[in-house]
Formats: sequence, structure tokens, C-alpha cells
Amino acid sequence: AQSVTQPDIHITVSEGASLELRCNYSYGATPYLFWYVQSPGQGLQLLLKYFSGDTLVQGIKGFEAEFKRSQSSFNLRKPSVHWSDAAEYFCAVAFADNDMRFGAGTRLTVKP
Amino acid sequence: DGGITQSPKYLFRKEGQNVTLSCEQNLNHDAMYWYRQDPGQGLRLIYYSQIVNDFQKGDIAEGYSVSREKKESFPLTVTSAQKNPTAFYLCASKRNEKLFFGSGTQLSVL
Repeated sequence: AQSVTQPDIHITVSEGASLELRCNYSYGATPYLFWYVQSPGQGLQLLLKYFSGDTLVQGIKGFEAEFKRSQSSFNLRKPSVHWSDAAEYFCAVAFADNDMRFGAGTRLTVKP
Repeated sequence: DGGITQSPKYLFRKEGQNVTLSCEQNLNHDAMYWYRQDPGQGLRLIYYSQIVNDFQKGDIAEGYSVSREKKESFPLTVTSAQKNPTAFYLCASKRNEKLFFGSGTQLSVL
């Protein structure tokens, strides 16, 4: 069955430290892949997306993500986290026939 | 202004009552979606529609129904069969793999 998994419910990092948020999917083909961010009380903002081509994609706010076909993963990274990055992050996957699903989300806390 | 309009912003349901959440878009998008957002569970897909007069169940369709009689409109009915309807409901449309979200409806049970 098609599914999206974000294994980490909550992650805490220190400001200035690096960040990696995990996302795995289950699908028989390569889907389109996305990362969204949602700050408290705000709507979802698209950080980046992967359709095809270069497996390392750059997004807004200094984020990047790498698609690894062999691992069915699309992990989000940032070299140096800022306090303003504290939010909830959602991985999303577009399967065939416009089926679009989200992971359960990872809540990021940034320590001063 | 083009966009997605969800109404009402807040909605209360009594036991045994059906309620309908409105979602209207003037973006001329074919694909539309309903998601339910609960803390710690992310956005779960209820129903989606690729085109007028067509819709498919998502992961949690039980207790919900939809219609797509017009391209612009994709209303969601929360039926009395949905025993735990309290949640934040988001409607979205999609074009070129980009999702456009409404501002959401918070549904609570009285």
C-alpha cells in the first residue's frame, strides 16, 4: 500500500547545529516528493520538491533534501539551524492519479 | 483574488447531526483534496477528486462523504457515523503538483 512515514515525532537541536529530518515512502514507482513547514497557527508552506533529475534539491530558508531511490527516502537537511526554524515539518508524496499524502509530521524544537 | 475559500472557520456539531464543510476555489484546478489534521498525526487524506463527478477515498474516508458537482466546489459532509469528528479540516487544490490550501475549518462536538 502507498504510505509516507516520518519516523521522528519530535526532534530537539541546538541553535547552529545541523538538522536532518527523515522521510520514507512505500510505492512501486518513484513519486513526486515534497517537504512542507507549518509554524504554530500558520498554514503550510512549501520548502522544496523533487520531481526528477538531480537527487539533491535546494529549497527556501537554506533547506535541502536528498532523494535516495534505493532507500525510498527523501530526508530534509539544514547545515545550521536558526531559532526561527522551530516548527512542524511534513513530508508529502504525490502518488499516481493525484493521490497526495502527508506524513505524520516531525516537530522541531530549537534550543538556545 | 484567486484562492481557496473554506467556510465556516469554526463549526460545532451536535450528537447525531450531519454537518457540511464548504470548500470553493476559483483557481480553475481540477484536483481537490480534503485532509484532517490532528495533533501528532499530521494531515490525513479523507477524500480527493481528480475531476468533476469523480472522487476517491483516502485513508480515513469512513464517516465522511463528498460531492464534486462543479469544478469550483468540493464540500465535505461529516456524518453522524464519524464518532470522533473534532479536528481541523483543510481543503486544498492542486495544479502542476503544487498544493494550494484553504485556511481551514475547526470542527468541534458539542
